Amino acid sequence: AQSVAQPEDQVNVAEGNPLTVKCTYSVSGNPYLFWYVQYPNRGLQFLLKYITGDNLVKGSYGFEAEFNKSQTSFHLKKPSALVSDSALYFCAVRGQILTGGGNKLTFGTGTQLKVEL
Amino acid sequence: NAGVMQNPRHLVRRRGQEARLRCSPMKGHSHVYWYRQLPEEGLKFMVYLQKENIIDESGMPKERFSAEFPKEGPSILRIQQVVRGDSAAYFCASSPGNRGSDTQYFGPGTRLTVL
Repeated sequence: AQSVAQPEDQVNVAEGNPLTVKCTYSVSGNPYLFWYVQYPNRGLQFLLKYITGDNLVKGSYGFEAEFNKSQTSFHLKKPSALVSDSALYFCAVRGQILTGGGNKLTFGTGTQLKVEL
Repeated sequence: NAGVMQNPRHLVRRRGQEARLRCSPMKGHSHVYWYRQLPEEGLKFMVYLQKENIIDESGMPKERFSAEFPKEGPSILRIQQVVRGDSAAYFCASSPGNRGSDTQYFGPGTRLTVL
């Protein structure tokens, strides 16, 4: 079975400071990892994904994420936070179909990011 | 290119009524997924469909819930005899293929309230 853990319910950051939102995963075989952002009463917007290759993945709105296989982590980062980044962030994993991962995404419980002036 | 469309955005039903939620995938996408988000929780997979086929319904409750994706028209998630515990946000996603690396793009969701 695949699973995702987001250990922090909320992360508070001052505008202009770097931010990190943590994610660890468990899956059989090589993972496909995703980050989504959800604004209030909206759907999920895709930010970035890791498939293979370079461990540092760049995505939308200046976000990036670092894949670390030995620590089974995929932390979301941004060098300089904006107030408009305040939202709910979800990490998700999808295993390889041949190793039983299926087609579904398994989500973490989400981390509320609050960026203050 | 229009994104994933869902309607209605908000749906209120009384206990025992039926709820029908509709999802039109992105243009060119033939793979549809339904997820449910309960208050203060992450999204939980319910069902994966391709045109006229249910591929994986391992996350679907055994009773009262059904889903379809007909040859023509949107995908429908149907909940019969709704109960208060069905109150949640239901999200549809679509992807161009079923490879693990394919991104799923989400619609705005339908927020179901059961009175």
